[in-house]
Amino acid sequence: EAGVAQSPRYKIIEKRQSVAFWCNPISGHATLYWYQQILGQGPKLLIQFQNNGVVDDSQLPKDRFSAERLKGVDSTLKIQPAKLEDSAVYLCASSSAGGQGRGYTFGSGTRLTVV
Amino acid sequence: GEDVEQSLFLSVREGDSSVINCTYTDSSSTYLYWYKQEPGAGLQLLTYIFSNMDMKQDQRLTVLLNKKDKHLSLRIADTQTGDSAIYFCAEGHTGRRALTFGSGTRLQVQP
Repeated sequence: EAGVAQSPRYKIIEKRQSVAFWCNPISGHATLYWYQQILGQGPKLLIQFQNNGVVDDSQLPKDRFSAERLKGVDSTLKIQPAKLEDSAVYLCASSSAGGQGRGYTFGSGTRLTVV
Repeated sequence: GEDVEQSLFLSVREGDSSVINCTYTDSSSTYLYWYKQEPGAGLQLLTYIFSNMDMKQDQRLTVLLNKKDKHLSLRIADTQTGDSAIYFCAEGHTGRRALTFGSGTRLQVQP
């Protein structure tokens, strides 16, 4: 079974620029999550999708962050404009309908550096 | 809201046992997890335990759960240098599938 794919692996941008990250979940996984992991901290949920609908985006800074999951498969997370404090690793995860235990799989993440 | 706390750092000698501790606040948590993160890598699920269990053993790993005190621990027997990493405790609910993570414990294994 292929894992959760994310790209790019690394990205360096200047503040006020825009950036987009892509995630392809495990085939058949209905639930997709984007987490932000700032250096020295644990991952924090940004947004959760169930198929192509948003379940929880309460922690997403909506003035600059947006995410979509067209057709309920791939997802993109965008930041526009980026700030220095957005430097972090952005992790995508997916889960099956059961959603707990071994149903969670994380991708390797995209490391964003804003300079 | 939910909160998960861990100590920041643990140093052990190769061959010793490591014990990493975690406390959580949400008494309705149904699943508790341990993840491992090596430098530059994603999160690797090590093990998890249901909230109605007290203990789970998986090869060198032993998870102990004290639900009354909301305390979770991960014991690694015969710790190896390859176990050096950051270990994250996380909690989840059946009804809320997103996980709440602690800040991680950095385990350093000295030869």
